[in-house]
Amino acid sequence: AQSVTQLDSQVPVFEEAPVELRCNYSSSVSVYLFWYVQYPNQGLQLLLKYLSGSTLVKGINGFEAEFNKSQTSFHLRKPSVHISDTAEYFCAVISGNTGKLIFGQGTTLQVKP
Amino acid sequence: GAVVSQHPSWVICKSGTSVKIECRSLDFQATTMFWYRQFPKQSLMLMATSNEGSKATYEQGVEKDKFLINHASLTLSTLTVTSAHPEDSSFYICSARDEGPTNLKQYFGPGTRLTVT
Repeated sequence: AQSVTQLDSQVPVFEEAPVELRCNYSSSVSVYLFWYVQYPNQGLQLLLKYLSGSTLVKGINGFEAEFNKSQTSFHLRKPSVHISDTAEYFCAVISGNTGKLIFGQGTTLQVKP
Repeated sequence: GAVVSQHPSWVICKSGTSVKIECRSLDFQATTMFWYRQFPKQSLMLMATSNEGSKATYEQGVEKDKFLINHASLTLSTLTVTSAHPEDSSFYICSARDEGPTNLKQYFGPGTRLTVT
């Protein structure tokens, strides 16, 4: 069965500092990986996705993630965060044999001035 | 980009009554829609997969007789919470998949907050 683990429930960081949100997955078959962001009182928005090809994926708002098959990870990074990046971030996976999008527990990114 | 709408955005109902939530894909056809449930400060839990013209597939532990799903057209899926109880209070989010080739684009509605009193 596929699963997603986000290792940090909360990540506090100062404005303009770099940030990494960690995500590990488990699946015995090929996977497609996603990062979504949920701003307060809003719906989910896709940040980026990995389907195939280059393991470094660039998304919106300056975020990027790297697919590492050997470590079964898909960590999200941003070199310099803004106050407006404060939100809940979800890593998600679709495995090839289920077609279901399964979410991790979520990480709250708190950007401080 | 594609838009998925939900109605209502929030609803309060009394214990024992039923509530219907609509999910519509506004500018694309979705043969597959998904219903998720999100408790405060928690992740989205997949409840069921809704396929147009056929019965929904429910995740383990989700009562199909309590959470009725109907996917009557390629742009509309409904979730009916029957005989609602306070423990059903939650944030319900639908999602529609754009089934373009190698697409795997899944769009989310803004969610419906259900409060059962």
